[in-house]
Amino acid sequence: GAVVSQHPSRVICKSGTSVKIECRSLDFQATTMFWYRQFPKQSLMLMATSNEGSKATYEQGVEKDKFLINHASLTLSTLTVTSAHPEDSSFYICSARGPRRAGELFFGEGSRLTVL
Amino acid sequence: QQPVQSPQAVILREGEDAVINCSSSKALYSVHWYRQKHGEAPVFLMILLKGGEQKGHDKISASFNEKKQQSSLYLTASQLSYSGTYFCGTEGDTGNQFYFGTGTSLTVIP
Repeated sequence: GAVVSQHPSRVICKSGTSVKIECRSLDFQATTMFWYRQFPKQSLMLMATSNEGSKATYEQGVEKDKFLINHASLTLSTLTVTSAHPEDSSFYICSARGPRRAGELFFGEGSRLTVL
Repeated sequence: QQPVQSPQAVILREGEDAVINCSSSKALYSVHWYRQKHGEAPVFLMILLKGGEQKGHDKISASFNEKKQQSSLYLTASQLSYSGTYFCGTEGDTGNQFYFGTGTSLTVIP
């Protein structure tokens, strides 16, 4: 299957700092990328959907100014958690899909964010 | 928006069968099924498109009833490796958001 690389896999930061998470599709053009957040023993909650070259569509309740998503190219999307606080600690995971609707989603390895 | 799965959790002995259900309140274009092990990314199992199809491979199969906006995952003759949390994922008829279901924890014991 296609490969999606997500970095960093783990990050610890101080409260008030910003953290950037990268999601790269290595061998296909990711027309659409999804960003999810997952709390322990819970489901993956969709944060935003981004299409290459367009502004991300955020889900209700997700702060756009806090979780900045950029999808500037067909192989790279970034999630920046700005002014992180302990409640932002979570597992963040991206997934990517090519141009075919209903195509399989390919997942990054996930990023464990801990805000002290 | 989030599909609801049932049951929330199930424990099986090796060789037993299980059914996991996924129900959406929205009209669906496709349903995906994934299995996730603790701390890992979800692993793709299969996709079903609207048209009421049923798919399967090996001992895992699924059905999709678009009129009822429901899908079911069937696991037969379960193996220890089947343990994990199963999620359905749905894409609506409109828009391209992809939502995961509430999840079903499946544990297979010897």
